[in-house]
Amino acid sequence: DGGITQSPKYLFRKEGQNVTLSCEQNLNHDAMYWYRQDPGQGLRLIYYSQIVNDFQKGDIAEGYSVSREKKESFPLTVTSAQKNPTAFYLCASSTPSGGTRTDTQYFGPGTRLTVL
Amino acid sequence: EDQVTQSPEALRLQEGESSSLNCSYTVSGLRGLFWYRQDPGKGPEFLFTLYSAGEEKEKERLKATLTKKESFLHITAPKPEDSATYLCAVQANSWGKLQFGAGTQVVVTP
Repeated sequence: DGGITQSPKYLFRKEGQNVTLSCEQNLNHDAMYWYRQDPGQGLRLIYYSQIVNDFQKGDIAEGYSVSREKKESFPLTVTSAQKNPTAFYLCASSTPSGGTRTDTQYFGPGTRLTVL
Repeated sequence: EDQVTQSPEALRLQEGESSSLNCSYTVSGLRGLFWYRQDPGKGPEFLFTLYSAGEEKEKERLKATLTKKESFLHITAPKPEDSATYLCAVQANSWGKLQFGAGTQVVVTP
């Protein structure tokens, strides 16, 4: 059954700690993305990766880091440098459709991070 | 800068009461406009992609339309299970970045 999994579903972090959110996909998609969702705001892009061993910063990358060692996995680390990390984090993946068409992003179930 | 504005912010409907959600966008070179449905505490679920003005797509009670400046999501004879937040997003460049609106929260009461 193909899809995107994120773990854990809920995560609590003490101030000053780094935490890592997991994202795995078995859709054989090339591109993966991390978004942050806050109440009343649209999803904002943190990092994206179009291919293994390569990734780029999105609009709000400060205080976050990622790696892309395998096609299926794109973990996100929320570092202690992120001043306001409490949010709902969403991972997505897509594969280029070629030509002039765009590629649809499919989302995982999300991880809710709370700073204590 | 690309911008996406959704209205209204919230919408309360009686079961069977049809309505429309609006997504206005400002983008240079639209490659695609996306509609997603999001239930509380869950990830967005893909509904439609629209590529060019005049295009329409339907799925059950939902119909999405696109003009050069905005998109509408029409909900016909809604049921309580249509209650969700509906997100609109646009893609303007070649590698896949989506610009999201803040969403419209729809509540359908029996």
